[in-house]
Amino acid sequence: DAKTTQPNSMESNEEEPVHLPCNHSTISGTDYIHWYRQLPSQGPEYVIHGLTSNVNNRMASLAIAEDRKSSTLILHRATLRDAAVYYCILSVRETSGSRLTFGEGTQLTVNP
Amino acid sequence: GAVVSQHPSRVICKSGTSVKIECRSLDFQATTMFWYRQFPKQSLMLMATSNEGSKATYEQGVEKDKFLINHASLTLSTLTVTSAHPEDSSFYICSARRGRGDSPLHFGNGTRLTVT
Repeated sequence: DAKTTQPNSMESNEEEPVHLPCNHSTISGTDYIHWYRQLPSQGPEYVIHGLTSNVNNRMASLAIAEDRKSSTLILHRATLRDAAVYYCILSVRETSGSRLTFGEGTQLTVNP
Repeated sequence: GAVVSQHPSRVICKSGTSVKIECRSLDFQATTMFWYRQFPKQSLMLMATSNEGSKATYEQGVEKDKFLINHASLTLSTLTVTSAHPEDSSFYICSARRGRGDSPLHFGNGTRLTVT
C-alpha cells in the first residue's frame, strides 16, 4: 500500500490557522488523498478528500502539490474542538472500490 | 449526513464466549463495509472488507474463523468475535461507504470489547 508520512504531533493556538502536512511520495495516479480525524474513544470523522485539484469544504481546505507527492490540510481557524488525531490516507484502488489503511496520524493540540 | 450506527458501544464478556457487533448504515445503502480494530494509543488496523451478498475479504494475519463477518443486507454488517480471549480486547470500529469508488467512508462510534 502507498504510505504517507505525517509529523507525530503539532500544536496550534485557538483561532489561528493550522497547516497539517502529509508526504506521499509513492502515490499512484489513481490514488485519492483522504483526511480523517479521530477524537478519543470515537470513530474517525471524514474531513476532506481530493485527487489533483485543491478542495474546500465547510470543515477545511486541502492543498495538493502539483506533483501530488505531498498535501496539506488547512484548518482556517482552529477551535478547541479541532484537537484530535488527523490521518492522511491514500485510497487503495480495488475492483469493488477502494479501501483505506490508516497510518499513525498527527496529534493536534489546540491551546486556548 | 450519512450516519453509521454501531452496537453495542461497550461489552464485557468472559473468555471463551462469542460476541456479536452490529454495524448499520441508517440513511443510506452500503454495498461495502469495513471493520477496523484499534489498540490503545495505536492507529486503526483494517481487519476485513465486507461486501453485501458475498464473502468478506480479510487482511493478512486476520483469522477469518475467529472474526466472522456477515453482510446480509445493504444496511447491516455484523462482526462476531468467536471464542474470545483477553488479547482480543480492543476497540472495534466499522465503516461504510456511501456510493462507490473513492467516496468517503462513514464510521461508527466503535465498540469497546473487554474480555475477562
